[in-house]
Amino acid sequence: AQTVTQSQPEMSVQEAETVTLSCTYDTSESDYYLFWYKQPPSRQMILVIRQEAYKQQNATENRFSVNFQKAAKSFSLKISDSQLGDAAMYFCAYRSEETSGSRLTFGEGTQLTVNP
Amino acid sequence: KAGVTQTPRYLIKTRGQQVTLSCSPISGHRSVSWYQQTPGQGLQFLFEYFSETQRNKGNFPGRFSGRQFSNSRSEMNVSTLELGDSALYLCASRRDFYSNQPQHFGDGTRLSIL
Repeated sequence: AQTVTQSQPEMSVQEAETVTLSCTYDTSESDYYLFWYKQPPSRQMILVIRQEAYKQQNATENRFSVNFQKAAKSFSLKISDSQLGDAAMYFCAYRSEETSGSRLTFGEGTQLTVNP
Repeated sequence: KAGVTQTPRYLIKTRGQQVTLSCSPISGHRSVSWYQQTPGQGLQFLFEYFSETQRNKGNFPGRFSGRQFSNSRSEMNVSTLELGDSALYLCASRRDFYSNQPQHFGDGTRLSIL
């Protein structure tokens, strides 16, 4: 079974600064997807960024980028120029490509605070 | 385009009762998944439905069940409620079971058991 670990329960960053959230995972599969989701107090889980395991290039979405290290099974999220609206709980998630379906395995989450 | 709609938003029940939660996926999406979110266990996968058939199931007791209708709307039912069933229940939809597209989540139903 796959597991996802986020070792930072809480992180804080100053507005306009950069912060990196860590995520490691364990799997014996070679084909999978990794995701970062954001959950603000409104509760809706919002997709931030995703990475296909077969792609060596790190995904980027505007101020959000990832550092995907497949051999190390590491998938960190970097938020540049942090904004107050980035404050939320961030979840790292894994989805198998080998077994099909939508099943996501989530990490424990990292609560991000953005200080003005 | 409307997002994933979950009803009701809040629900209060007592132990031993049963409850039904509803989820309407994004138009055109045919796969619906359900997750339970609690402070202690985090986010856990319950089950996935596609073409009115359960395709995947998480490690939950038989008290948790679901179904999907021909219009792709899904319901999940929890019978004989226990205090530990208090949680945020999230629904997510995807275009289809084999798609490589990501899931889109609803706002969830907050279930409280007294």
